[in-house]
Amino acid sequence: KAGVTQTPRYLIKTRGQQVTLSCSPISGHRSVSWYQQTPGQGLQFLFEYFSETQRNKGNFPGRFSGRQFSNSRSEMNVSTLELGDSALYLCASSLGPQGTNNEQFFGPGTRLTVL
Amino acid sequence: AQSVAQPEDQVKVAEGNPLTVKCTYSVSGNPYLFWYVQYPNRGLQFLLKYITGDNLVKGSYGFEAEFNKSQTSFHLKKPSALVSDSALYFCAVRDGAGYSTLTFGKGTMLLVSP
Repeated sequence: KAGVTQTPRYLIKTRGQQVTLSCSPISGHRSVSWYQQTPGQGLQFLFEYFSETQRNKGNFPGRFSGRQFSNSRSEMNVSTLELGDSALYLCASSLGPQGTNNEQFFGPGTRLTVL
Repeated sequence: AQSVAQPEDQVKVAEGNPLTVKCTYSVSGNPYLFWYVQYPNRGLQFLLKYITGDNLVKGSYGFEAEFNKSQTSFHLKKPSALVSDSALYFCAVRDGAGYSTLTFGKGTMLLVSP
């Protein structure tokens, strides 16, 4: 069974631009969660989608948004990029939504660098 | 609010020695506890979880973790460390009472010397 895939793996943008990251979950998984990982803040929860609905959102500004499609693939968008948005963005999928005892399976991440 | 603490930024052990990576947590209800490992330039890999049942949980790659309710701890252990175990380890918790997302600790870098 293929794992969680994320595209692109690496991205370089400049301040003010916007970016879209993509995540394909493990087949059969309906929950997709997004995290931002930085050396200073560790792993911070961005949002979770289950059956095309956003179930929960972390403490991030409105510039961060996401969506999920009917095939469970998910995208996250960051508009008006800032230098502080440079991070590893991780996607994780699970069978059921967060709040259950299902473990999450993580993709390799997208490394975003904002110049 | 739920939280996780990993008190050590780094743990160093020699190959062949036992290792322990510490984790303490705080939740309102019963905890769902997880350990993940991250190798350089990779995503997180699931190691093990505690939901209910035996306090000693066995996971992947010879790792195990002991749930201690009175001390609110969930330390990760391995009897004999390998150099290849060197990586970043994350403890995570979710409150089993009602809906909550996963909260991760800051991570502990494990360095195993030959």
